Amino acid sequence: EAGVVQSPRYKIIEKKQPVAFWCNPISGHNTLYWYRQNLGQGPELLIRYENEEAVDDSQLPKDRFSAERLKGVDSTLKIQPAELGDSAVYLCASSVYRGQREGHTGELFFGEGSRLTVL
Amino acid sequence: AQKITQTQPGMFVQEKEAVTLDCTYDTSDQSYGLFWYKQPSSGEMIFLIYQGSYDEQNATEGRYSLNFQKARKSANLVISASQLGDSAMYFCAMRNWGSNYKLTFGKGTLLTVNP
Repeated sequence: EAGVVQSPRYKIIEKKQPVAFWCNPISGHNTLYWYRQNLGQGPELLIRYENEEAVDDSQLPKDRFSAERLKGVDSTLKIQPAELGDSAVYLCASSVYRGQREGHTGELFFGEGSRLTVL
Repeated sequence: AQKITQTQPGMFVQEKEAVTLDCTYDTSDQSYGLFWYKQPSSGEMIFLIYQGSYDEQNATEGRYSLNFQKARKSANLVISASQLGDSAMYFCAMRNWGSNYKLTFGKGTLLTVNP
């Protein structure tokens, strides 16, 4: 089974430029997450999708960040314009939601991340 | 609001010895899950072990076990017989099943296994 695929792995841009990250979740996973991980910190949730609906985007800086998950499969996260403080690793994850069931951990499966450097 | 605290920025352990990584959490929900993830230098997050709030027994997965003390709100990870490949960042995380499904992470502990 293929894992979560993200691209690009690395991106270097100058401030004020736009950038986009792509994520293809594990087949059949209805929930998709975008996390941002700053250096030396734990991941922080930006947005969570259930199928094509964004159900939690409270942490997404909406003035410059946008995300979409058309058709409830792959997703794109965009930053426009990028700022120096956006330098981080952007992690995509997916999971299967089966509700609260015994034995169902609902763990997230992560991609390798996209490392953004803004100069 | 849910919060995860990992008080050990870094830990060192000798190869083949056991090590405990601390994690405390705060939540007002009765139903929640606790996770541990490993992040090697390559960057991917690897799921290690899960403990549900209603699970009566501590979770175990191979060399990993979770020391769950619900009254103290702690969920420490124990790694037995440490290997050089265990050197990585370790993150404790929590999800509240009752309110939302957001997975909240701690700041992590960097484990270094010495030969």
